[in-house]
Amino acid sequence: AQSVTQLDSHVSVSEGTPVLLRCNYSSSYSPSLFWYVQHPNKGLQLLLKYTSAATLVKGINGFEAEFKKSETSFHLTKPSAHMSDAAEYFCVVRGQAGTALIFGKGTTLSVSS
Amino acid sequence: DSGVTQTPKHLITATGQRVTLRCSPRSGDLSVYWYQQSLDQGLQFLIQYYNGEERAKGNILERFSAQQFPDLHSELNLSSLELGDSALYFCASSGPARGTSNEQFFGPGTRLTVL
Repeated sequence: AQSVTQLDSHVSVSEGTPVLLRCNYSSSYSPSLFWYVQHPNKGLQLLLKYTSAATLVKGINGFEAEFKKSETSFHLTKPSAHMSDAAEYFCVVRGQAGTALIFGKGTTLSVSS
Repeated sequence: DSGVTQTPKHLITATGQRVTLRCSPRSGDLSVYWYQQSLDQGLQFLIQYYNGEERAKGNILERFSAQQFPDLHSELNLSSLELGDSALYFCASSGPARGTSNEQFFGPGTRLTVL
């Protein structure tokens, strides 16, 4: 069965410093992986997705993620954090049936000035 | 704005009651998904409809049911409500193709509070 594990429940960074949110996945076949962001009292927005094309995926707002099969990882990075990046981030894998999304527990990103 | 709308935004009700949550997908999307976000369970897939027919089921309780109407809007019915049903309920849509690579667009959610 497909699953994702977000290794940090909370990450704190200063504005202008790099962001790293870690995610490991488990899948019996080549997975489709996503990162979603949820701002307070808002819905979920897709940041980026990996669907077996390029292993380095660029998303919105300067975020990117690298698919590493050997490490079963799909970490999310951003070179320079902005205050507006403070939110909940979810690593997601598409389920085996190919329809439903399976969410990680989420990582809360705090950005201080 | 994803183009997916959900009503109501907030719902407060009592244990034992029944409520209906409504979702309108993006124009042209045929699939509708329901997810529940709670503090203890996180975000969980409940059920999917494609063009009016149930396509996939997740961790949906027997007290919960859903349907998708000919105009493609969907309703999630929650009955015999318990305190533990308090959560944020999201609807997402994708399509129109039946393929598995379609991105899901999420609505703003309905926050249900059971007192």
